[in-house]
Amino acid sequence: GENVEQHPSTLSVQEGDSAVIKCTYSDSASNYFPWYKQELGKRPQLIIDIRSNVGEKKDQRIAVTLNKTAKHFSLHITETQPEDSAVYFCAASSHPRNAGNMLTFGGGTRLMVKP
Amino acid sequence: EAGVAQSPRYKIIEKRQSVAFWCNPISGHATLYWYQQILGQGPKLLIQFQNNGVVDDSQLPKDRFSAERLKGVDSTLKIQPAKLEDSAVYLCASSPWGDTGELFFGEGSRLTVL
Repeated sequence: GENVEQHPSTLSVQEGDSAVIKCTYSDSASNYFPWYKQELGKRPQLIIDIRSNVGEKKDQRIAVTLNKTAKHFSLHITETQPEDSAVYFCAASSHPRNAGNMLTFGGGTRLMVKP
Repeated sequence: EAGVAQSPRYKIIEKRQSVAFWCNPISGHATLYWYQQILGQGPKLLIQFQNNGVVDDSQLPKDRFSAERLKGVDSTLKIQPAKLEDSAVYLCASSPWGDTGELFFGEGSRLTVL
C-alpha cells in the first residue's frame, strides 16, 4: 500500500518568513495530493491540492509543487502570519473503482509562526 | 450547508468495554470514511463506504472494530472490546459520489481508554 513520509515534524519561523514542508510517497499510481490544515482540537480542512497532471499550483500565499518522477511534493507558505500556526498534513491518493479518495496521510508538521 | 456531524464528542471507557460512534455525513454525499487519529500522528483510514457498500476496510482491526452504514446515510463505528491503544480521535469524513477531491471532516470523537 501507499506510504507517505513528511518532514519536518516541527517547524518554527518568524512572522513574514517562508515555510516549506516536504513529503514523499511510495505508490506510483497515486495521482492526487492534498494538503490539510488542522488547528488544535479542530477538524482537518483542505487548503490546497494538486493532481498528477500538474507540476505546480498557487493560491495566494500558498503553493504546492509536485515531482512525479522523484515521488515528492512540497507545500510553500510565503509571508507567514500567526494564524498560519497549525499542524499541516500532506496526503496521497489513488482512486479505486472511482469511489472517492483513499487518502494516506503523512505524519504531520507542526508549524509555529512567531510574531 | 450543514457539515459532517459526529457524536459523542468525548468518551472515556475502561479497557475491555465497548463504545460506539455515530456519523451523519453531508446530505447527498455517497462516500463516507472513518479515520483513526492517534495523538501526534496523521489520520489513518479504517474503512471507506460507497453508499452502503464497503470500498476498503483493509486497515480495520476486524477482531474488535466493526462499522456499518445502513441505508447509505448515517454510519456507526463500534469497538468491542476496547484496548488502551484504541485511545484516539475517530474522524468521520464524507465526499460526493465519484468525486476525487476534498474530503469534508467532522469534528471527531475523542476516545480515552483507561
